[in-house]
Amino acid sequence: KQEVTQIPAALSVPEGENLVLNCSFTDSAIYNLQWFRQDPGKGLTSLLLIQSSQREQTSGRLNASLDKSSGRSTLYIAASQPGDSATYLCAVMDSSYKLIFGSGTRLLVRP
Amino acid sequence: NAGVTQTPKFRVLKTGQSMTLLCAQDMNHEYMYWYRQDPGMGLRLIHYSVGEGTTAKGEVPDGYNVSRLKKQNFLLGLESAAPSQTSVYFCASSDPGSGQPQHFGDGTRLSIL
Repeated sequence: KQEVTQIPAALSVPEGENLVLNCSFTDSAIYNLQWFRQDPGKGLTSLLLIQSSQREQTSGRLNASLDKSSGRSTLYIAASQPGDSATYLCAVMDSSYKLIFGSGTRLLVRP
Repeated sequence: NAGVTQTPKFRVLKTGQSMTLLCAQDMNHEYMYWYRQDPGMGLRLIHYSVGEGTTAKGEVPDGYNVSRLKKQNFLLGLESAAPSQTSVYFCASSDPGSGQPQHFGDGTRLSIL
């Protein structure tokens, strides 16, 4: 059974710092890996999607990497801003197109 | 373009009552999903559908039923609500072969007293 783990569960950093969020999964047979952002009381917003054949994806200040063989992904946020404060969720999609989510990392960027 | 719309946004039920949550998508996606999210946890898949007229069980299907009579709609039913079903429910849709991510609704907050 696929399990997705996110470390740390919570993170507090001063504005301007670069940071890394970690995601690990137990079964390397994935279709893709997705990173989402969730603001309090809101739905999920897709940030980055990495296909199983890809190693990384970038969007603005965000960069996500994927190492299938080791079952790891990282989300790198450059020059963090208070507006980046949210919960970040990692999810892997299996061959049946179902997503399995981690429990998320709550990020607080202090002004 | 509305995307994925969930109704209602909030609901309070008494134990034993029944209700239906509605999800509608306007992106012509084949796949639709229902998840629940409990405090401090990620989303867990309840049921999903790979096309009109189809449904399948996810990770936590007990106590829920679903129907997909029309491609654009996916209904989640609670026949006899229990306090353990207090949660935030999210609907999503996707076209997996397109390489695009799942699109999520804003959620339904459901409290069972």
